[in-house]
Amino acid sequence: GAVVSQHPSRVICKSGTSVKIECRSLDFQATTMFWYRQFPKQSLMLMATSNEGSKATYEQGVEKDKFLINHASLTLSTLTVTSAHPEDSSFYICSARGAGTKNTDTQYFGPGTRLTVL
Amino acid sequence: GESVGLHLPTLSVQEGDNSIINCAYSNSASDYFIWYKQESGKGPQFIIDIRSNMDKRQGQRVTVLLNKTVKHLSLQIAATQPGDSAVYFCAESISGGYQKVTFGTGTKLQVIP
Repeated sequence: GAVVSQHPSRVICKSGTSVKIECRSLDFQATTMFWYRQFPKQSLMLMATSNEGSKATYEQGVEKDKFLINHASLTLSTLTVTSAHPEDSSFYICSARGAGTKNTDTQYFGPGTRLTVL
Repeated sequence: GESVGLHLPTLSVQEGDNSIINCAYSNSASDYFIWYKQESGKGPQFIIDIRSNMDKRQGQRVTVLLNKTVKHLSLQIAATQPGDSAVYFCAESISGGYQKVTFGTGTKLQVIP
């Protein structure tokens, strides 16, 4: 139980284009989803927290107009990187917590999406 | 705030030996702690958790110890196997509501066959 999927697993795009990453909870209702960014050999950096049906809460220093987050249902959240630039290249990971899991305080993570902007 | 390291500390352990990974947390108000395992190119995987009303919790081959006095958390892996090689992160949070999780810097575990 508590499976989270992400799609795509890898994406390469040209500078200036937008990329959408999907995060799905497959066997539970994700009342809260989180988006993280991770640089090589570093820890996870929280970008934003989203609750189903409401606007995301962004961490300090994260541009909400650049990283658009939508959490329209209890099983799906999307992160859109708008006008991507090479410095946006990173490993993006989502997590989810909610009803139907063993512990509603525990975040369960997706497999991550490797974004490369050329 | 977030804890980000420039490089990961590494623990090298002989296969079959026990491993102990340590973590210091920062928020005395945190009451829920989790250990995650992250293999290269993958998302973090839940290993074990513990609440602040406990000081020890055991799982399959893993034990988490919590010392609230010194804000210290440890993960013990018994009979370490090559498949245990990964980066291990501790995480702290305040239970209930929508409190976010704060991750430690991570420790890379290398198992020597």
